Amino acid sequence: DAGVIQSPRHEVTEMGQEVTLRCKPISGHDYLFWYRQTMMRGLELLIYFNNNVPIDDSGMPEDRFSAKMPNASFSTLKIQPSEPRDSAVYFCASSWDRLRAYNEQFFGPGTRLTVL
Amino acid sequence: GQQLNQSPQSMFIQEGEDVSMNCTSSSIFNTWLWYKQDPGEGPVLLIALYKAGELTSNGRLTAQFGITRKDSFLNISASIPSDVGIYFCAGQLSGNNDMRFGAGTRLTVKP
Repeated sequence: DAGVIQSPRHEVTEMGQEVTLRCKPISGHDYLFWYRQTMMRGLELLIYFNNNVPIDDSGMPEDRFSAKMPNASFSTLKIQPSEPRDSAVYFCASSWDRLRAYNEQFFGPGTRLTVL
Repeated sequence: GQQLNQSPQSMFIQEGEDVSMNCTSSSIFNTWLWYKQDPGEGPVLLIALYKAGELTSNGRLTAQFGITRKDSFLNISASIPSDVGIYFCAGQLSGNNDMRFGAGTRLTVKP
């Protein structure tokens, strides 16, 4: 079974441009999480979905960030306009809604974003 | 938000040595998990703990959920070069659905 798939793996863009990160969770998983990892702040939860519905977006840094999950097999995280301080590795993770398994999140390989 | 204090920040050890790292918090957690992250990859779950006092092993790895529910430790016995990486603790706060991650322990194993 394929794990969590993220694309692109690397993205270099210029300040002001729109960036879209993509994620395909593991088939059958009910939860999808977006994280950001930086040296300064470590791993931060941005938003998570349950059955395609956003549950908690309190970690989204500001209005420039938005996330959608149009169906069970696809999610996007969009930054518009991008800024240099958005440079980080963005991870998508998924898990399933069974007893105790909710917390056992499977991470994708990440997208390394560089905003010049 | 609530913080997890993970220590040590980094460790340099000789192959064959045992390793111990821990996480503490002022808050109570329902769940503790330990992840390992290799360079250029996402974190991979090593051990999940769900009950205070629980002691769980996964090969050479052993982790415990503290009795107070505010801490957890991870031990690695007889370290090998492939143990190199960053180890993260993570916890689910009591009464909350989201996870908090520690800052990580960077482990270097010298052959």
